[in-house]
Parts: sequence; C-alpha cells; structure tokens
Amino acid sequence: EDKVVQSPLSLVVHEGDTVTLNCSYEVTNFRSLLWYKQEKKAPTFLFMLTSSGIEKKSGRLSSILDKKELFSILNITATQTGDSAIYLCAVVWGNNDMRFGAGTRLTVKP
Amino acid sequence: DVKVTQSSRYLVKRTGEKVFLECVQDMDHENMFWYRQDPGLGLRLIYFSYDVKMKEKGDIPEGYSVSREKKERFSLILESASTNQTSMYLCASSRGILTDTQYFGPGTRLTVL
Repeated sequence: EDKVVQSPLSLVVHEGDTVTLNCSYEVTNFRSLLWYKQEKKAPTFLFMLTSSGIEKKSGRLSSILDKKELFSILNITATQTGDSAIYLCAVVWGNNDMRFGAGTRLTVKP
Repeated sequence: DVKVTQSSRYLVKRTGEKVFLECVQDMDHENMFWYRQDPGLGLRLIYFSYDVKMKEKGDIPEGYSVSREKKERFSLILESASTNQTSMYLCASSRGILTDTQYFGPGTRLTVL
C-alpha cells in the first residue's frame, strides 16, 4: 500500500538550534513531494520538490529530495519560536493521487 | 489510528450538476475541514466546522456550501458545478483547538466537464 511516513512525530528544541525533519514514502509513479507548515487552521505551502538532489531554499528553511532512497528532508537553521508548528509532508503520485504524512510537531523554546 | 474517509476517489460530473462530497472521520474529532488542491496553488481552505451544525468560511467559499449534521460527517456541496471547480478535494479532521494536527483523507479528484 502506498504510504508517507514522517519522523520524528514530535520535536522540542531551543532557539538557535538546527532541526532536520524527515519524510519517507513508498508510492508508484512518484510525481512530487510537498512540504507545508501548519500553525492555524490551514497549512501554508513551503516547497514542492520534483527532482532529486536539487535543494530548494527559502530563508532559514531548505529542503531536498532523494528519489533513489525515497525520502525528503526539511532543514530549519537558527530556529525561532515562530517556527513552532506542525510540518506536513505530502506526496503526489500516479494520476495526481495525494497522501499526507502524519506531520512533525516542532516546538521551539526560547 | 485515525481514519478519515471520503466517499469517492474519482468523480466526473457535468456543468450545472449538483455534487455532494462526503467525508467521515472515526475519532470523534471536533473540527473538520474541506480543502482544494490545485497545481502551483497548494492547499486552499474552502470551509471548516468546529462543531455539529457550525461552519465557518475559509479562503475560497464561493460556489460551495457545507453541511455538518453529525459530528463524524462533513459534506461539501457544489450547488451548480462549474469547470473551474475541477480539482482535488481533501477533507481533514482534528481534535480540540484548530491548531492541532490535522488528519487528511485520501482525496477526491473531481472533474467537471
């Protein structure tokens, strides 16, 4: 069965730390992987990855995809309390089917 | 293990038809959400509900309505489907406060001809 697994489920760090969130998947006919940040009622889009080895970057956030090993990582450097959120990974495959992982809850303490 | 199910994986309708998308969750969650996902636009919130018979508009409610008669079921209704409503529709649910983890259903790909 196709699946998307995120790890860790929960993470607590202090301001200034660097964190790495993982998303692994097992799907057929992979098309893209998306990262979202959920703070309020709706997740906000962060990155879409389609090609292996090409890093996407936005400020302190970056993400990369490994299509051979079937995973993606989301890095956040110099974390701030405003980074506290649930980070969701979603994989699109086949005929634009889509599945979300369970999310990683990140807490950044001052 | 939370389970969110949606009534159809794929649906094809004609312009002007009334369309019902059903979502059911089995974990007694208070909050339920309907989103649409379009390429390049990410997830966009259509409506959400924080209790039975309660609903709130999201970012793009035009052309849609919702119904929550029972806690476990949240329906999205397209009164008169249009081609620009062709999209992937995702339902989600969460417990307690709105910022709690959302659990997503498998999605319904709706095509309006």
